[in-house]
Amino acid sequence: DTEVTQTPKHLVMGMTNKKSLKCEQHMGHRAMYWYKQKAKKPPELMFVYSYEKLSINESVPSRFSPECPNSSLLNLHLHALQPEDSALYLCASSQVLSLAKNIQYFGAGTRLSVL
Amino acid sequence: QKEVEQNSGPLSVPEGAIASLNCTYSDRGSQSFFWYRQYSGKSPELIMFIYSNGDKEDGRFTAQLNKASQYVSLLIRDSQPSDSATYLCAVYNQGGKLIFGQGTELSVKP
Repeated sequence: DTEVTQTPKHLVMGMTNKKSLKCEQHMGHRAMYWYKQKAKKPPELMFVYSYEKLSINESVPSRFSPECPNSSLLNLHLHALQPEDSALYLCASSQVLSLAKNIQYFGAGTRLSVL
Repeated sequence: QKEVEQNSGPLSVPEGAIASLNCTYSDRGSQSFFWYRQYSGKSPELIMFIYSNGDKEDGRFTAQLNKASQYVSLLIRDSQPSDSATYLCAVYNQGGKLIFGQGTELSVKP
């Protein structure tokens, strides 16, 4: 089973709202990732957690706040977003964070619209 | 030079033909190479990975890796309309990040 579950599937929010995206995996993976994908573009890495610690932050604005409460769960808290933040947000997981033979499995994504 | 480059397409092939998708990468130290398929509005789905020089076959798909030329390709035999999607080549860089190419849009015409 290579399932990564993301909720919600769709989210519409205003610029003053606070919302959260959730990602869950039960594969025993110790690395989890958030990506942002705009239409006709490849996924862009935002954050990486390894063993529940933030390992990589790709200079993402502070209105995006990641959280990894345990090894199975990854959240992305959203606050005061801008319309240009509208995109598909993808969560991925892999066994560990390493260079070699490290397959990332993606969830179905959350389609976010900021009004 | 981009870290991972692909022809954006669209690449159009008739049903039953071989589709050939190409990717070059700049980091000579890269060890792991992946092909993801992404249908419109959906998330990327892993279809092939390759670590060693040469060919790797899985059903109708063959991945080819040439590290000396820093080149990865994906061949899809007996292409079907259901293969119509964007194919993303991805490579780990020395910083541990998975870098995606821009993707090649494939259209298989019945």
